[in-house]
Formats: sequence, structure tokens, C-alpha cells
Amino acid sequence: QSALTQPASVSGSPGQSITISCTGTSSDVGGYNYVSWYQQHPGKAPKLMIYDVSNRPSGVSNRFSGSKSGNTASLTISGLQAEDEADYYCSSYTSSPSRVFGGGTKLTVL
Amino acid sequence: QVQLQESGPGLVKPSETLSLTCTVSGVSITDYYWSWIRQPAGKGLEWIGRIYITGSTNYNPSLKSRVTMSVDTSKNQFSLKLSSVTAADTAVYYCARDRGYSFDSWGQGTLVTVSS
Repeated sequence: QSALTQPASVSGSPGQSITISCTGTSSDVGGYNYVSWYQQHPGKAPKLMIYDVSNRPSGVSNRFSGSKSGNTASLTISGLQAEDEADYYCSSYTSSPSRVFGGGTKLTVL
Repeated sequence: QVQLQESGPGLVKPSETLSLTCTVSGVSITDYYWSWIRQPAGKGLEWIGRIYITGSTNYNPSLKSRVTMSVDTSKNQFSLKLSSVTAADTAVYYCARDRGYSFDSWGQGTLVTVSS
């Protein structure tokens, strides 16, 4: 199984919105509504931000939202804040059954 | 509140077996699936596999031949064994609660270095 494809980096200014894409295939992202997103600050464990494509766990800001179209999932962060600067990873359920992650996207808040 | 803590040797010799344990507190290990995930320095996350209380397992196809997971309900722990390790297995290893299709609680991670 190949890793999902994410842009290596994205950036935005405080208050702006950014979107991170996550592209897979019909065997993973496109085949199931089981995409999740994780935020990871340096030296810390990942934190679940979105599950099942568009659901937010309790305690996660509603500035974070997720969506999917075909084989591509997206994470949108609105009203960017300095604390949002981190690495973001998508993950999808796959046939097998298995799980696959994206390569990660570094978000810089300018 | 669920908490997970990885433990095990930080240094393993090439060709030997890496062994890690995850101790779970705040929730019974019998109620969920549990996964292992690793991250080489400066790189992305890789799912290793998961286990349920029944002993049912699912492994990453790329690691399946070298991975064994087990669970100890008396200690509320689950474990990972990865055999025939090489330098490519050097990584931070995380244990996580697997809610079926996402990982909602993670341990702090433990660095395992493969070196002679």
C-alpha cells in the first residue's frame, strides 16, 4: 500500500483559511468514509482532529473541518492562529483491512 | 481519561527482536482495539497493526511477516514484537487507542534505535 499524497507544506497568515489535501485511491480514501486527520507539534504525539471525513472529536475547535470528494480528502482550518502551526497527517482505512497515512504537511503561520 | 504509556528497550541490535509494551489506564483494554504506529525521525507516520481483546489482529502488509501483537488483560497491557530488525526500524513507536477507523488517544511515544 502506498502512502497518501499530501503537499509538503502550506502557509497562511493569522485569520486566513488554508486547506490541506490528501489524495489516495479508490482502495482507500475514495472507497470508504473513514478519513481522519491528526495534528502533531514538534516532539509531541499526534492529536486526532477529524474522524470519519468530517467529524470533530469533543474539544477540537470548530475552526477545523474536513471533507471528501472522490479520492481526495481535505482539511480546512479557518481563522488561522499561531498555535495551529504544526504538522498535519491524514489517514484512511484501506481494504486488507489496513490503515495508511499521508506523508504529512507542515503548516506555517506567517 | 484514557492514558497510554509505552515501555521497552531503547536500543536493539540488528537482526534481533524489538519488544514494546503499552500500559493503558483510565479504561479497560477489553473495550477497544489497540494499535501500534511508528515514526522515523523527520518522517511520516506508519501504521504497524492492531489487536483486539479476542486476540484478533490486523497487520500492515509490509510488516506482517515480522510483527506479533499480544494482549494481557490482567495488566491492562498490550505488546508489540518486531523481529529481524534493521536500521530502517529505528523510529519513535506510539501505541494508540483504535476506535475502528481513527486513533483518538496516543501514548507519548518511545524512541527505539537499532544499532550494534
